[in-house]
This record gives sequence, C-alpha cells and structure tokens, in this order.
Amino acid sequence: NAGVTQTPKFRVLKTGQSMTLLCAQDMNHEYMYWYRQDPGMGLRLIHYSVGEGTTAKGEVPDGYNVSRLKKQNFLLGLESAAPSQTSVYFCASSSIGTGGNEQFFGPGTRLTVL
Amino acid sequence: DQQVKQNSPSLSVQEGRISILNCDYTNSMFDYFLWYKKYPAEGPTFLISISSIKDKNEDGRFTVFLNKSAKHLSLHIVPSQPGDSAVYFCAASASGGSNYKLTFGKGTLLTVNP
Repeated sequence: NAGVTQTPKFRVLKTGQSMTLLCAQDMNHEYMYWYRQDPGMGLRLIHYSVGEGTTAKGEVPDGYNVSRLKKQNFLLGLESAAPSQTSVYFCASSSIGTGGNEQFFGPGTRLTVL
Repeated sequence: DQQVKQNSPSLSVQEGRISILNCDYTNSMFDYFLWYKKYPAEGPTFLISISSIKDKNEDGRFTVFLNKSAKHLSLHIVPSQPGDSAVYFCAASASGGSNYKLTFGKGTLLTVNP
C-alpha cells in the first residue's frame, strides 16, 4: 500500500498562473481533505470531501477549487495563483467507522508563487 | 478564534527525561483528541489519540492525559529520545455532522538533546 500520495512534490508558479495538485489514496477511504501549512499557523483545512462527487469548503477555501470525480483521487486547483498561496499543501484521507477519525497524510507539496 | 491552542511553540529536553507537551481547547463539543508528529519535509503521522470517555491512554513511551473539566490535554513522552525531535500537533474533533473534520493547534517543536 502506498497510502496517500501527492503530485507534484515541488512547484514554482508565477502570479496569475494556474495549476492542479493531485492527491491519490489506495486505502478505499471515503473522506479526503486538503490542508495548507504556513509557518506559525498549523494546519488549516481548505476543502474536503465526504465521498465521490461531493466537496465542501473548509476554513480557508478562497482562491481554491476541488474535485472528487473518483473515490481515490482528490484534486486541488489554483485558477490564478497569488503570492499569498505560497505554502506547503497536505492531502489527507480517513475512513467512516474509525471512530476517532484518524487521518492519514500525504508527504506534501511545496508551492512557491512568485 | 483558535479552538485548539498549543501555547508553547518549542520545548527542549535532555535525552532520557520526560517531555510534556500541552494543548488546550475551547469547544466543549470536541470529544476526540489526537496527537500527530511531523518531521521536516514529511507529512504528519498519527501518534496517539484519546476519547472523551477516558482520561488516559498509553502506547509504549507515549501517554496522553485528558482533563475535560479544564479542557486540557497533555502528551507525555518517557523516556525522550533524539528521534522524537519533531513538531507535535494536537488535533480535536466533534461527533455528529462534522465528525470528519479535525481542528489543529499550531504545533510545538520538540528538541531532544543527546
């Protein structure tokens, strides 16, 4: 099992460019999440999905869009990147019935917007 | 409004001694608490959790204590090892409609000195 994987690992964008971050999980988890981590800010939830075809806004959704067309994949899109979106992005997944909602995280994508 | 607070940004201890990391929460609906460990350039990994029906959970060198009346939990690591040096995040969730979401603290950087 690969667990949660993220593509790419690093990316540099210019202001106004667009990109898509891909998250894939092979654990058959229903729930998937996108977080961003900034220095001194901890992990903040951007968007999440409770199942294939569903998405919802998290704590800091502005400037991002997501899609969950397949259960195992969760895509995070930046339509017009801004320097404020420079961050490390983590994807996570979890399963119904774990009781405490342990989330499994990917290795992260480091994004720099110039 | 920060619902999960880790007031110590950093902690330094000697190898073999006890490390105590603290976490406070304000939302009385939280009933499940988790600790995650994060090494640089990696995603967070689950360490230990506790349900609100318990006041202590132990796993090897790691013990989490929960004081519901004080809305406070702590992670004890005994004995501390240099490999424990990492950022530790406290997280909380609430049962019910949003039980799939975790709220994270900002993290505490633990350094264990040989």
